[in-house]
Amino acid sequence: GNSVTQMEGPVTLSEEAFLTINCTYTATGYPSLFWYVQYPGEGLQLLLKATKADDKGSNKGFEATYRKETTSFHLEKGSVQVSDSAVYFCALGWRGYQKVTFGTGTKLQVIP
Amino acid sequence: NAGVTQTPKFRVLKTGQSMTLLCAQDMNHEYMYWYRQDPGMGLRLIHYSVGEGTTAKGEVPDGYNVSRLKKQNFLLGLESAAPSQTSVYFCASTHRSIQATSTDTQYFGPGTRLTVL
Repeated sequence: GNSVTQMEGPVTLSEEAFLTINCTYTATGYPSLFWYVQYPGEGLQLLLKATKADDKGSNKGFEATYRKETTSFHLEKGSVQVSDSAVYFCALGWRGYQKVTFGTGTKLQVIP
Repeated sequence: NAGVTQTPKFRVLKTGQSMTLLCAQDMNHEYMYWYRQDPGMGLRLIHYSVGEGTTAKGEVPDGYNVSRLKKQNFLLGLESAAPSQTSVYFCASTHRSIQATSTDTQYFGPGTRLTVL
């Protein structure tokens, strides 16, 4: 079946550090891939997405590249801020099907 | 636009009590979903709906029922609450993509924190 595996957290970084959150997936075919972010006390919101191999999604300084050969979609940011502290979810979805499979989430804490 | 709203925000129930969670969206989305979020488990799909009057089971449907009588509303019911249903519940909605090549963004509500004693 379809599944998403993310690195376990929490991840604690100092402000301006480089961030990588690993995400790998198992699926047949060619799903769309997403990163959602959940700030404390809120619902999830889309951070970025990619719909086919080699696509790069980007938003707010975050980037992730859809790597079909390694079935990965790692999230990166060059310089994190305290305001980036949140839980990040990797997810995959199916064209025309609209159901999404979420990873377990990775909590990021950025300290000043 | 209010987006996706959920009522109530918090609720405490005793074992065996019933309740209904209401989700409303004003984006004219066709698809709506109910998830539960538990520590270390991520989000798990309870039920979903692809249109008014239709519902389907997700990954963890037992103990829950749903109804979608109006396009903008999706109700989640617990007939006899159990402590295992203590969780944070999220509603989400999405537009049905006319492109078969993409999966549209899901828009989430702020969540309902439910405690069953």
